[in-house]
Amino acid sequence: QKEVEQNSGPLSVPEGAIASLNCTYSDRGSQSFFWYRQYSGKSPELIMSIYSNGDKEDGRFTAQLNKASQYVSLLIRDSQPSDSATYLCAVKGGTGGFKTIFGAGTRLFVKA
Amino acid sequence: KAGVTQTPRYLIKTRGQQVTLSCSPISGHRSVSWYQQTPGQGLQFLFEYFSETQRNKGNFPGRFSGRQFSNSRSEMNVSTLELGDSALYLCASSPGTASYGYTFGSGTRLTVV
Repeated sequence: QKEVEQNSGPLSVPEGAIASLNCTYSDRGSQSFFWYRQYSGKSPELIMSIYSNGDKEDGRFTAQLNKASQYVSLLIRDSQPSDSATYLCAVKGGTGGFKTIFGAGTRLFVKA
Repeated sequence: KAGVTQTPRYLIKTRGQQVTLSCSPISGHRSVSWYQQTPGQGLQFLFEYFSETQRNKGNFPGRFSGRQFSNSRSEMNVSTLELGDSALYLCASSPGTASYGYTFGSGTRLTVV
């Protein structure tokens, strides 16, 4: 079992729709959870972080965490073509210490 | 505020050679992590340095090594290069506590021929 799992996609949504990206992790002791966005040919960029159960909203982005289910998600409301990228889920803490483990990423396409 | 600086941006090396990559983190950040990114394997953790000490290490062979200097700049070295080492090597800077995410550099694209 991979430490951090994501559907590779691609996930295709129409412009203006809600994109839902999901991630599961295996280490129950994990403490910090992140979402990064990576455009083709660019480096990953941190867009959201979440540390406690529940929802965290930042503009059009909402991160959701459920530690009991070991599940993290990212919702993108009013999706725009500029949101088309690969989204990486990352988990830090637990038995990995300060090491951050990344999922393989989900490719998102937003159709105009 | 300057970002994370990685040099060089591109490298072409021959099998068997060695290579050194450099990373200057954001001013004030004490943690530098290195990742290898390939299309098939995604982002794979190499190692993390905090205040000149290696705090975590990934599952890479001993040919991969690194160090951090007192000014937090870090270098990674790969000896006896293999074709499979061709990848994008990313440096990630953070303050060093568990609650902070990373700021990545632009990466070094290494091609081994």
